[in-house]
Amino acid sequence: GAGVSQSPSNKVTEKGKDVELRCDPISGHTALYWYRQSLGQGLEFLIYFQGNSAPDKSGLPSDRFSAERTGGSVSTLTIQRTQQEDSAVYLCASSLNQGGTGELFFGEGSRLTVL
Amino acid sequence: GENVEQHPSTLSVQEGDSAVIKCTYSDSASNYFPWYKQELGKRPQLIIDIRSNVGEKKDQRIAVTLNKTAKHFSLHITETQPEDSAVYFCADENAGNMLTFGGGTRLMVKP
Repeated sequence: GAGVSQSPSNKVTEKGKDVELRCDPISGHTALYWYRQSLGQGLEFLIYFQGNSAPDKSGLPSDRFSAERTGGSVSTLTIQRTQQEDSAVYLCASSLNQGGTGELFFGEGSRLTVL
Repeated sequence: GENVEQHPSTLSVQEGDSAVIKCTYSDSASNYFPWYKQELGKRPQLIIDIRSNVGEKKDQRIAVTLNKTAKHFSLHITETQPEDSAVYFCADENAGNMLTFGGGTRLMVKP
């Protein structure tokens, strides 16, 4: 597709379960970002990939959160033993990242609800 | 790490008036400053950006100014319209190509 694709668009899970969120960036975009947005709040940085490597993991809120990116394309954000405070919209964005970030193209987000 | 402060958090203006949103940053190596607009229930989208080698950039009713000495930059919207109502986020990019966002400003334009 032409844009950043995220799945699932909505996920309802029970506290303690693991969830996986997927991001398929725009083809050719080397930079990939994950952000978290709670209701009515700002964009909380989680992790940034340049190719397959993650130069900055400082935003991951706890060791229950992990992310990987394989083949320089699709990325998966995994949350283990989910807690109610994990409920939020998880936004993925990609960028060409040639000589600077340039424009970030965001996906529609994955809305996670932890009961 | 980098810190981007954005003010005000909410802004209400009458249609036709101007709106100004201000951001300050901490990393003197920052060199790229975009602004994103997020309408209700939608994804953030880039509306304007400025690089550190210029002090001002305009695009129709929108302008951004940058003061590198003071480490602050501002978004100016003139002749506001109801469709300008949204949350606006400033951001900066440091030497490591990391983009850090401000906390957002909810702009409400009253008809």
